Amino acid sequence: EPEVTQTPSHQVTQMGQEVILRCVPISNHLYFYWYRQILGQKVEFLVSFYNNEISEKSEIFDDQFSVERPDGSNFTLKIRSTKLEDSAMYFCASSEVLAAYNEQFFGPGTRLTVL
Amino acid sequence: QQQVKQSPQSLIVQKGGISIINCAYENTAFDYFPWYQQFPGKGPALLIAIRPDVSEKKEGRFTISFNKSAKQFSLHIMDSQPGDSATYFCAASSNTGKLIFGQGTTLQVKP
Repeated sequence: EPEVTQTPSHQVTQMGQEVILRCVPISNHLYFYWYRQILGQKVEFLVSFYNNEISEKSEIFDDQFSVERPDGSNFTLKIRSTKLEDSAMYFCASSEVLAAYNEQFFGPGTRLTVL
Repeated sequence: QQQVKQSPQSLIVQKGGISIINCAYENTAFDYFPWYQQFPGKGPALLIAIRPDVSEKKEGRFTISFNKSAKQFSLHIMDSQPGDSATYFCAASSNTGKLIFGQGTTLQVKP
């Protein structure tokens, strides 16, 4: 069964460093998302991406964040200068079409720890 | 207005019992209400979903009840099993595809 994969599973970084989180969405999917989950809290939407453009972004997704689909298979989330509060689980998701009632498939997540 | 409120935060049920988790929303533009199940160390996985043109949807032991006028929906897990022990998130979205999640409910089913 096709699945969304994410690497690394755990990333530890120093405050102020840049990190890149990688995702490989399901191959025939066209819509891509990043969500994050701070420990013990709810899953929060960060950004959606389609046709090499950001479709929508949340207030969390400020200038420190960027997304890219560099090679037609990977989908990356970059945090330019990490803060302590960026420590969270980051989930990539993908869907076949953009419709409210279309399932988003989530990857296993990358745990980001900022020291 | 973008919030989805979920309760209870945690739930303990005996094996064979019924687990009930409730959610409420405010944004009438939401037109899709999925429930996601998350096991430790895994990403959320779609369990069951409903659109507001129906009041109930059942898949196996899992049922969503939807009350459009009250802007509430709930997940019922019949004959709860220890393997159902997980965190459950309700969510809502409109035509942008963005999912707004509830706070989550940690369910423990005791053998």
